[in-house]
Amino acid sequence: GAVVSQHPSWVICKSGTSVKIECRSLDFQATTMFWYRQFPKQSLMLMATSNEGSKATYEQGVEKDKFLINHASLTLSTLTVTSAHPEDSSFYICSALRGSGTEAFFGQGTRLTVV
Amino acid sequence: GQQVMQIPQYQHVQEGEDFTTYCNSSTTLSNIQWYKQRPGGHPVFLIQLVKSGEVKKQKRLTFQFGEAKKNSSLHITATQTTDVGTYFCAGRGNQGGKLIFGQGTELSVKP
Repeated sequence: GAVVSQHPSWVICKSGTSVKIECRSLDFQATTMFWYRQFPKQSLMLMATSNEGSKATYEQGVEKDKFLINHASLTLSTLTVTSAHPEDSSFYICSALRGSGTEAFFGQGTRLTVV
Repeated sequence: GQQVMQIPQYQHVQEGEDFTTYCNSSTTLSNIQWYKQRPGGHPVFLIQLVKSGEVKKQKRLTFQFGEAKKNSSLHITATQTTDVGTYFCAGRGNQGGKLIFGQGTELSVKP
């Protein structure tokens, strides 16, 4: 099966600092990865689509300067939450498409708490 | 923009009872996927439906895609405690690309 590893699984940081979250496809190449945010008891909200070698496409209302996405290789995409604030606390999940497929494989998620 | 609505938001059933969650899209979908998310976990892919009127079964789970490719349902027969979790539908528009997730249906099963 296809495995997507997300790291870290949880992180606590101080307000004003930046946090980087990694999403790796371990056994397949992923030209497209997605970053989602999920609030407790709510659905997944797509933040941005990350394409290898090009700029990410951000959804309406998502600040691209605050949520920096880099997809430098076919197996790694990173999300950096810059100048974090308590309202950024959430569960962040990545998913990856294998090749030209349509099934999305999800990482384990990262629970970010900003204090 | 494309919206995917899912109902009900919560469903509490007695073990052995059936369960159904419904998904409706504001636009025609190229395909629809279903995911299950256990409490504290991440979404896990269950199935993808592509064809109009398609019906697929996985043991006690039956998935349907509407004729107009705008709605879908997931039916679980004789629920078990292991079925507990939140079930999400996710639709992909004809323009391709991103999945739009429904709000999810949280299923609890009382033994």
